[in-house]
Amino acid sequence: GAVVSQHPSRVICKSGTSVKIECRSLDFQATTMFWYRQFPKKSLMLMATSNEGSKATYEQGVEKDKFLINHASLTLSTLTVTSAHPEDSSFYICSARLQTSGRAYNEQFFGPGTRLTVL
Amino acid sequence: GIQVEQSPPDLILQEGANSTLRCNFSDSVNNLQWFHQNPWGQLINLFYIPSGTKQNGRLSATTVATERYSLLYISSSQTTDSGVYFCAVAETSGSRLTFGEGTQLTVNP
Repeated sequence: GAVVSQHPSRVICKSGTSVKIECRSLDFQATTMFWYRQFPKKSLMLMATSNEGSKATYEQGVEKDKFLINHASLTLSTLTVTSAHPEDSSFYICSARLQTSGRAYNEQFFGPGTRLTVL
Repeated sequence: GIQVEQSPPDLILQEGANSTLRCNFSDSVNNLQWFHQNPWGQLINLFYIPSGTKQNGRLSATTVATERYSLLYISSSQTTDSGVYFCAVAETSGSRLTFGEGTQLTVNP
């Protein structure tokens, strides 16, 4: 149990285009999902917290107009990188906080990541 | 915000050896998780351990919350244990995880 999927796993796009990444909790509900970014040989850095039915909370220094987050249901959050540029190239990972029977647990489960390359 | 330090940053072992990875954190936590990131980038949950001791096969972990550290033990290491091990914590007041810089483990045959 507690499986999180991401789609696509890899995307290559031209500079100036927008890219949407989906994060789904497959076998549990998640009122809270998180989006991270990881550069090569580096640790994960939290970008934003995605709450179902409300606006996302962005970390300091993350442009909310650049990285649009929508959490439309208890099993789906999306991250859209708008007008992507080469510096947006990175590994993007989502996580979901387990929730069962109305109770939210603290443990987070991670998706397999999306590797974005902007040419 | 909370600070997380992992040591050592790199570790090279021969197959069959044991190892201990350490995670120090600077404040009270309500979540501490250990992960193994495989070569494809997937984070695999090893332990959810804000306090106490847990064991799962060759792996075990101990968190001493009052002293603000956690240890991950790997016994009889195998080449498939290679990869990066991350410790991540959330402060008592929230759910946001802060990651350490990781320990790069290489197990040689």
